[in-house]
Amino acid sequence: ETGVTQSPTHLIKTRGQQVTLRCSSQSGHNTVSWYQQALGQGPQFIFQYYREEENGRGNFPPRFSGLQFPNYSSELNVNALELDDSALYLCASSLDGGALASETQYFGPGTRLLVL
Amino acid sequence: QKEVEQDPGPLSVPEGAIVSLNCTYSNSAFQYFMWYRQYSRKGPELLMYTYSSGNKEDGRFTAQVDKSSKYISLFIRDSQPSDSATYLCATPAAGFQKLVFGTGTRLLVSP
Repeated sequence: ETGVTQSPTHLIKTRGQQVTLRCSSQSGHNTVSWYQQALGQGPQFIFQYYREEENGRGNFPPRFSGLQFPNYSSELNVNALELDDSALYLCASSLDGGALASETQYFGPGTRLLVL
Repeated sequence: QKEVEQDPGPLSVPEGAIVSLNCTYSNSAFQYFMWYRQYSRKGPELLMYTYSSGNKEDGRFTAQVDKSSKYISLFIRDSQPSDSATYLCATPAAGFQKLVFGTGTRLLVSP
């Protein structure tokens, strides 16, 4: 086990609704990254937070937003849900935001979101 | 063109076979390469990483990078049913802020 937990494990929403997904990183890990993994695809980078500040963003619209808290927890918020948002959402934590942070990204089990 | 390409499989082999999993990448600036294993309903777990060209061995697993052809491989010797999973190749990009993944290859090892 990586020590990274996510909640909830599964979620069903309808189009247009808003959702908040939660992640608890390993203690001491200052960096959290969020990924979207559609069925049959590899994870796609959404954004990364380092010490509560956004530290990079992928090609996702502004309705995807995040927060990181001092207690090593973080949130991914998605507004105005669309059918294509149905996917597995993964968070990954790592020690710091340095050059090799990606080398030690520890993934949680993910939250499976279904948008109807 | 995708930055990292991978055959989605599935790849079915009998127990004990040698497995070869492969990826190609487009950006010659990529230097670090990782292999993640993802079991069904789980998050990816880091198996191995390599830097630049060459081989790296860890038990039954060998990772190989050929920068001249932009080709990375993972070999699994004496494959076991417990190796059945999806294998994802990945590389850090954008100043190491993100990992770029291939689509993953689903491996099935039958007893």
